[in-house]
Amino acid sequence: GNSVTQMEGPVTLSEEAFLTINCTYTATGYPSLFWYVQYPGEGLQLLLKATKADDKGSNKGFEATYRKETTSFHLEKGSVQVSDSAVYFCALSDPTGGYQKVTFGTGTKLQVIP
Amino acid sequence: DAGVTQSPTHLIKTRGQQVTLRCSPKSGHDTVSWYQQALGQGPQFIFQYYEEEERQRGNFPDRFSGHQFPNYSSELNVNALLLGDSALYLCASSWGQVNQPQHFGDGTRLSIL
Repeated sequence: GNSVTQMEGPVTLSEEAFLTINCTYTATGYPSLFWYVQYPGEGLQLLLKATKADDKGSNKGFEATYRKETTSFHLEKGSVQVSDSAVYFCALSDPTGGYQKVTFGTGTKLQVIP
Repeated sequence: DAGVTQSPTHLIKTRGQQVTLRCSPKSGHDTVSWYQQALGQGPQFIFQYYEEEERQRGNFPDRFSGHQFPNYSSELNVNALLLGDSALYLCASSWGQVNQPQHFGDGTRLSIL
């Protein structure tokens, strides 16, 4: 079956530090990959996506590249801000069978301190 | 443009009771999926509705059922509630079924006493 593995948190960084959150996946088909962010008390918001190998998704200074050879989709940001503090979820959508079932990782909590 | 809306925001029930959660998808979306998110965990897929039919289901017992209406809104029903059903229930909508980003509501926090 499909699965997503994320690095465990929490991750604590100082403002303007470089961020990497590792994500690897296992899928039977050709999935699309996503990063979602969840702020306290809220639902999930789509942060970025990539639909095929070597695609780079980017948004709000965050980037992630779909690496099929290493089955990875690591999230990076060059300079984090306090407002980036949230829980980040890596996810995949496998279209096998014609239906969209999204599989999420367990989430990585990021805390950015001033 | 309203996003995904869920009601109620919070709910407290006791073991053995039944509950109904509601979801209105984002305008233009026709597919609704439901997820259960336990504290400190990632969302777990419950099922997906498209064209008023359940199209795919995750590893949840038959106590979890749903419905989609002609206006694409959806309900999640849970019977014979257990303590372990306490969680945040998220509704997500998308246009079409395959590889489209899902837009999430803020969820319904269900607490079982």
